[in-house]
Amino acid sequence: GESVGLHLPTLSVQEGDNSIINCAYSNSASDYFIWYKQESGKGPQFIIDIRSNMDKRQGQRVTVLLNKTVKHLSLQIAATQPGDSAVYFCAENVYSGGSNYKLTFGKGTLLTVNP
Amino acid sequence: KAGVTQTPRYLIKTRGQQVTLSCSPISGHRSVSWYQQTPGQGLQFLFEYFSETQRNKGNFPGRFSGRQFSNSRSEMNVSTLELGDSALYLCASSRSRGADTQYFGPGTRLTVL
Repeated sequence: GESVGLHLPTLSVQEGDNSIINCAYSNSASDYFIWYKQESGKGPQFIIDIRSNMDKRQGQRVTVLLNKTVKHLSLQIAATQPGDSAVYFCAENVYSGGSNYKLTFGKGTLLTVNP
Repeated sequence: KAGVTQTPRYLIKTRGQQVTLSCSPISGHRSVSWYQQTPGQGLQFLFEYFSETQRNKGNFPGRFSGRQFSNSRSEMNVSTLELGDSALYLCASSRSRGADTQYFGPGTRLTVL
């Protein structure tokens, strides 16, 4: 099965609210995680990343939390804006032998921000 | 700095034909990975190229192939197209290999009729 999955396929929030998007992973050996945002007709856009030696990392309006005990990743978006409406993917960098790593993506969560 | 560029952006082919897609990575990036994105399967890893060599491969048939040039530009080829090959093909580049951030291009939308 897929090693990275999302708890909620869709999330609808009001403009100005905070959004939380969740992700579960199954490979405890993964050491690097990334959140991407994909708008309609565009490729995934890097938002923020976190390495396994960290629990939390903050960017501009975004925070990623990593809980290695329960293999859970979350993306928090503060003061969500209509421009944040997109599909959000978590990705896990999985070691696949030798010096090879493979980015494995979750199915994605559609975030809709209502004005 | 210019981002990852992919050409063409849209392509329509018929079954049995072959297609070549092109990707120019961010300047200074040496690793290029290709992904297939479909509504049913999501984003799936095709292969990775680094220093003109395929370094890693996903679970796709041999009809899917690629190459990388000395300037790090990459192409992927799909031969004997099938209806199920209709997808968004995404290219991503990173400075090096391993746990390095990958930056994506806009993708090529391939439709097979």
